[in-house]
Amino acid sequence: AQKVTQAQTEISVVEKEDVTLDCVYETRDTTYYLFWYKQPPSGELVFLIRRNSFDEQNEISGRYSWNFQKSTSSFNFTITASQVVDSAVYFCALSEGSGSRLTFGEGTQLTVNP
Amino acid sequence: DAGVIQSPRHEVTEMGQEVTLRCKPISGHDYLFWYRQTMMRGLELLIYFNNNVPIDDSGMPEDRFSAKMPNASFSTLKIQPSEPRDSAVYFCASSFLRATEQFFGPGTRLTVL
Repeated sequence: AQKVTQAQTEISVVEKEDVTLDCVYETRDTTYYLFWYKQPPSGELVFLIRRNSFDEQNEISGRYSWNFQKSTSSFNFTITASQVVDSAVYFCALSEGSGSRLTFGEGTQLTVNP
Repeated sequence: DAGVIQSPRHEVTEMGQEVTLRCKPISGHDYLFWYRQTMMRGLELLIYFNNNVPIDDSGMPEDRFSAKMPNASFSTLKIQPSEPRDSAVYFCASSFLRATEQFFGPGTRLTVL
């Protein structure tokens, strides 16, 4: 069975600080996909990134970066120079290659204070 | 292009009433998903369809819940009879291919009194 763990329930930082959100996953499949979603206070779920299990290259998109390490089953998300608008709940999710079922972690509430 | 459309956005009903939630996926997407979000259980998949056919309904909590997808552009999630513990935000999502990114609708906030 697949499982995603986001151990950090809440994180609070001051604007311009860097912050890393942790994600650890469990799966028996060799082919799988990892995702990050953002849920701002307005409630919608916004897709951020998708990674497949065969691509361990780190990804950078503006102030966002992702570090995928199969050796530790982790897919961590870093926001550089955080801004108040980054305040949201961030979810890590896993889909095994055999199906489309997304399993979400519990989410990390990030608060960026001015 | 329009994203996933859900209606209603808010629904307040009394215990025992029938509730129908509606979803229009993104045009061209072959997969449609229904999720429920609660504080206690987080985000959980209820059911998903591929080409209008239900593939995995193992997340549907009980027989009071049913979902249909009569065509590629419309799906419903029905709860009959509703109970207070069904209060949650229900999200519909769609994706183009298997295991690709899912795009979520704005959600329906259901309150059962």
